[in-house]
Amino acid sequence: QQQVKQSPQSLIVQKGGISIINCAYENTAFDYFPWYQQFPGKGPALLIAIRPDVSEKKEGRFTISFNKSAKQFSLHIMDSQPGDSATYFCAASSDDNAGNMLTFGGGTRLMVKP
Amino acid sequence: DAGVTQSPTHLIKTRGQQVTLRCSPKSGHDTVSWYQQALGQGPQFIFQYYEEEERQRGNFPDRFSGHQFPNYSSELNVNALLLGDSALYLCASSSWGREQYFGPGTRLTVT
Repeated sequence: QQQVKQSPQSLIVQKGGISIINCAYENTAFDYFPWYQQFPGKGPALLIAIRPDVSEKKEGRFTISFNKSAKQFSLHIMDSQPGDSATYFCAASSDDNAGNMLTFGGGTRLMVKP
Repeated sequence: DAGVTQSPTHLIKTRGQQVTLRCSPKSGHDTVSWYQQALGQGPQFIFQYYEEEERQRGNFPDRFSGHQFPNYSSELNVNALLLGDSALYLCASSSWGREQYFGPGTRLTVT
């Protein structure tokens, strides 16, 4: 199975709150898990990525949590800001090659209310 | 440092026609991947080029073909366009084995 399932489809968070987006995968060969942020009319921008040898990675307000046994990973956006309003995609690839084919989730549209 | 660039920005074609989209990778990158993003969905992998050869291919018909030039730039060709080919076509570049960076995309509308 190549699917990556992402939830929720949409999310509304108050300014300063925590945004949480979840992804689940089936293919145990996946070993690289990036998150992309996409604004309307733009291409996806790489936010943060993780490999299965660590359970958490933090960069600024963005944190990835990874649960290898459950085959799940999530993105946490701390202190969410209106400028974070965008669509977020999780993705996965295999063969220890970040340049390999990325399989994307369906996306989460985040709205941060001021 | 210029990022990934794509041309044209928008394109309108008629069903049955052929189209060519172009991509210039980020400086220092040698690998180009193409993705199709339908409205409201995640990108879907079409194929990847490295050293001027197709290295990986997603579940797309042979109507979709590509090319990579010695300067690492790439073209995506779609023949016999269908209404369902209307989408945002994204190019991503990387150094072999490393993270992918996307361009702004080409919006293709087939009427």
